[in-house]
Amino acid sequence: GAGVSQSPSNKVTEKGKDVELRCDPISGHTALYWYRQSLGQGLEFLIYFQGNSAPDKSGLPSDRFSAERTGGSVSTLTIQRTQQEDSAVYLCASSLNAGGQETQYFGPGTRLLVL
Amino acid sequence: GESVGLHLPTLSVQEGDNSIINCAYSNSASDYFIWYKQESGKGPQFIIDIRSNMDKRQGQRVTVLLNKTVKHLSLQIAATQPGDSAVYFCAENTNDYKLSFGAGTTVTVRA
Repeated sequence: GAGVSQSPSNKVTEKGKDVELRCDPISGHTALYWYRQSLGQGLEFLIYFQGNSAPDKSGLPSDRFSAERTGGSVSTLTIQRTQQEDSAVYLCASSLNAGGQETQYFGPGTRLLVL
Repeated sequence: GESVGLHLPTLSVQEGDNSIINCAYSNSASDYFIWYKQESGKGPQFIIDIRSNMDKRQGQRVTVLLNKTVKHLSLQIAATQPGDSAVYFCAENTNDYKLSFGAGTTVTVRA
C-alpha cells in the first residue's frame, strides 16, 4: 500500500522567506509526527498530532515553526522567516495508533536549503 | 564487522560477512526500541523492533539483542549484502510517542 508521502522533495529558499512543507500520512493512521534531521545527525522530534487531541508542540525550536493537521489526515509544517540554521531534512512519520510502542513509518523527507 | 557504542559512526564490512551495529541508549525507563535503516536521499525504513520484556528478537537476516543491565542494543545482520549499505539508527521510546534517535552508524559493504 501507499506509504507516507511528503512534498516538495526539495526546497531552496532565501533567508527570511516563509516555507510550507506537506505530509500525507498512511491512510487510517491516527498519529502523525514531524522530525528534523540536520546533516549527519539523528532525528530531532518537532511535533506530534493524535486524532482530535491538542498537538504536542514541545519540540518546535522557535515560534517561527508551526504545524497544522486538517481533517485528521494531511499535515503542513510552516517555517516563517527562514534562517540558514533551518536548513535540514524535515521528516514526517505516521503510526496506526498513538502510544509508545507503535511503529512509526517515515516518509522520504523534504530537503530544505535556506540560502 | 562490528561498531562499538557511539564512538565509531562507520562500519566497513566484507560482503557475505556478518555485521554487528551497536547502540548505547540513555534512558533506563525506555521500554521500546527500534532499528531503522536510512539509505541516501530516503527516509528511515523500519527494520525491527524489540520491547523491554525481551532480550532477543529475530527477523529476516537480522537479529536485535537488548541488554537492559548495561543499556545496550545491537543489530546483527547476517550475510551482509551490498544493499545493506546505509545509515542505521537505533531509537528508544519511554512509553510515549517521542522517539529518541542515536547519531547513526554508516555501514559500507565491500564487494
